[in-house]
Amino acid sequence: DIVMTQSPLSLPVTPGEPASISCRSSQSLLDKNGYNYLDWYLQKPGESPQLLIYLASNRASGVPDRFSGSGSGTDFTLKISRVEAEDVGVYYCMQGLQTLTFGGGTKVEIK
Amino acid sequence: EVQLVESGGGLVQPGGSLRLSCAASGFTFRNYWMHWVRQVPGEGLVWVSEISSDGSGTAYGASVKGRFTISRDNAKNTLYLQMESLRAEDTAIYYCLRKGGWYVDLWGQGTLVTVSS
Repeated sequence: DIVMTQSPLSLPVTPGEPASISCRSSQSLLDKNGYNYLDWYLQKPGESPQLLIYLASNRASGVPDRFSGSGSGTDFTLKISRVEAEDVGVYYCMQGLQTLTFGGGTKVEIK
Repeated sequence: EVQLVESGGGLVQPGGSLRLSCAASGFTFRNYWMHWVRQVPGEGLVWVSEISSDGSGTAYGASVKGRFTISRDNAKNTLYLQMESLRAEDTAIYYCLRKGGWYVDLWGQGTLVTVSS
């Protein structure tokens, strides 16, 4: 099974400041079709996870452009250019190359 | 409206059984692979099972293999998870997920399963 490792576990942020979350996979997520099967989700308190970024770097419909994803192979990053109060919650990376496995989550909270 | 709505959760004794349902609406259900994922409240997400769009292919996580069965009825736009020999460690919120060609883009609101005597 592919193991997903996220860091940090917790991320206190100041509104207006940038934030970055790292995700590493135990195997390459780059398929021979050229796509990296790595997605990012945000689970706000009391809600189901919602898709932010798919295939490593594509913003889902309706996601603000302050969110961006990058990386390839085994190392990926989610960046928020300027954190807003509504961005609090737990962020998960997920690989979809082989069934599904999730990172342990990063809790983003306002300082 | 495009949505997934789970039902069937509740309190069950250890060793008991439960069947979860996930009703899909607003999209062509038969075109999508579907998954079940669970989450112990306050903890992370764990994949449980998947089923192909026509129901011919299934897969399970190691912790549920042999006890849980995923199925679907494309005529009724419904996904199922039959859970047998339930254990305390199966206590979680169960979500159904829709996966398009490349990524999961839709989650249900979840249904809580509690296994306790």
